[in-house]
Amino acid sequence: GESVGLHLPTLSVQEGDNSIINCAYSNSASDYFIWYKQESGKGPQFIIDIRSNMDKRQGQRVTVLLNKTVKHLSLQIAATQPGDSAVYFCAEIDSGGSNYKLTFGKGTLLTVNP
Amino acid sequence: GAGVSQSPRYKVTKRGQDVALRCDPISGHVSLYWYRQALGQGPEFLTYFNYEAQQDKSGLPNDRFSAERPEGSISTLTIQRTEQRDSAMYRCASSLRTQGAYYEQYFGPGTRLTVT
Repeated sequence: GESVGLHLPTLSVQEGDNSIINCAYSNSASDYFIWYKQESGKGPQFIIDIRSNMDKRQGQRVTVLLNKTVKHLSLQIAATQPGDSAVYFCAEIDSGGSNYKLTFGKGTLLTVNP
Repeated sequence: GAGVSQSPRYKVTKRGQDVALRCDPISGHVSLYWYRQALGQGPEFLTYFNYEAQQDKSGLPNDRFSAERPEGSISTLTIQRTEQRDSAMYRCASSLRTQGAYYEQYFGPGTRLTVT
């Protein structure tokens, strides 16, 4: 499959460690945010979302934090596993504009070392 | 169940030729989207359909790009007179619907287009 990891910020962690991936978003009117995971050769896959009226949302092994003051989003992955190795993208939506047009940020390549 | 499928998976064409990329959304998904993804970048919105109606084509780069979804299911993205700068991964996504709320978009595997 194709590589989506070229020229990307990278994060390398040991298996079992926690990972934190950061994202700065651009539109202060954005009110819905999503993290996607993209494995090599595949399309982006939904991980977790958060609305702008929340600061934190937890899923299974993942937590998303939203800081609207500085327009910053982070994805925390607990006990990172080799299967978590992928490129991670944050995406934003301004539902006052259109509730379908995803604007993706720069990806981060996560590599998990066994 | 079956996800979004796209064909062909890889397409190599000569500059100036027309290409047609196909997307078959998840059964029952009303909304369909086309994105273009450059290597190392996130997908960039091209166009959106609700049933057979093209609701938004604001992301299409120029008039060489067009899309249709005549029966509200399969969609075709056509690029006429291809140029080298059109080389990219073209991704399709579908969702249940979009009115009133955001509905999760499921992405297909993409078509890798190379214009030589």
